[in-house]
Amino acid sequence: AQSVTQLGSHVSVSEGALVLLRCNYSSSVPPYLFWYVQYPNQGLQLLLKYTSAATLVKGINGFEAEFKKSETSFHLTKPSAHMSDAAEYFCAVSDRRGSQGNLIFGKGTKLSVKP
Amino acid sequence: DSGVTQTPKHLITATGQRVTLRCSPRSGDLSVYWYQQSLDQGLQFLIQYYNGEERAKGNILERFSAQQFPDLHSELNLSSLELGDSALYFCASSVADSGSSQYFGPGTRLTVL
Repeated sequence: AQSVTQLGSHVSVSEGALVLLRCNYSSSVPPYLFWYVQYPNQGLQLLLKYTSAATLVKGINGFEAEFKKSETSFHLTKPSAHMSDAAEYFCAVSDRRGSQGNLIFGKGTKLSVKP
Repeated sequence: DSGVTQTPKHLITATGQRVTLRCSPRSGDLSVYWYQQSLDQGLQFLIQYYNGEERAKGNILERFSAQQFPDLHSELNLSSLELGDSALYFCASSVADSGSSQYFGPGTRLTVL
């Protein structure tokens, strides 16, 4: 069965510092991989998606993620944090096999940005 | 704005009652998914419909049911409600049945008293 592990339920960075949110997946076949962001009292917004076209995926708001098959990882980064990046971030996977598209989510990482 | 709409935004009801949550997908999307978000369970997949047919089932209780109508909107029915059913319920939609990006609605916050 597929699973997703997000290391660190809370991450705190200073404004302007590098953001690194970690995600590891468990699957016999590399799945589709996603990062979503959730602001307080809102729904989930898609940041980026890995399909296999390129290992480095660029998303919205300056975020990017790198797929590393050898490490079964898909970590999310942003070179310089803004106050507006404070939110909860979810990594998710979806199986490439079959015709079911449901997402399996990690437990989420809350990002705090200090001025 | 993702283009996915959900009603109502908030719902407060009592134990034992039945409620219906409604979702309208983005224009052109054929798949609808339902997810439950709670503090203890996190984000859990409930059920997927594709073009009117059930495609996948997750951790959905027998007291819960869903359907997708010919106009592609979907409803999630929750019955015999318990305190533990209090959660945020999200609907998402995508173009295809698998592999395409899912776009989430704003959610319905259900409170069972």
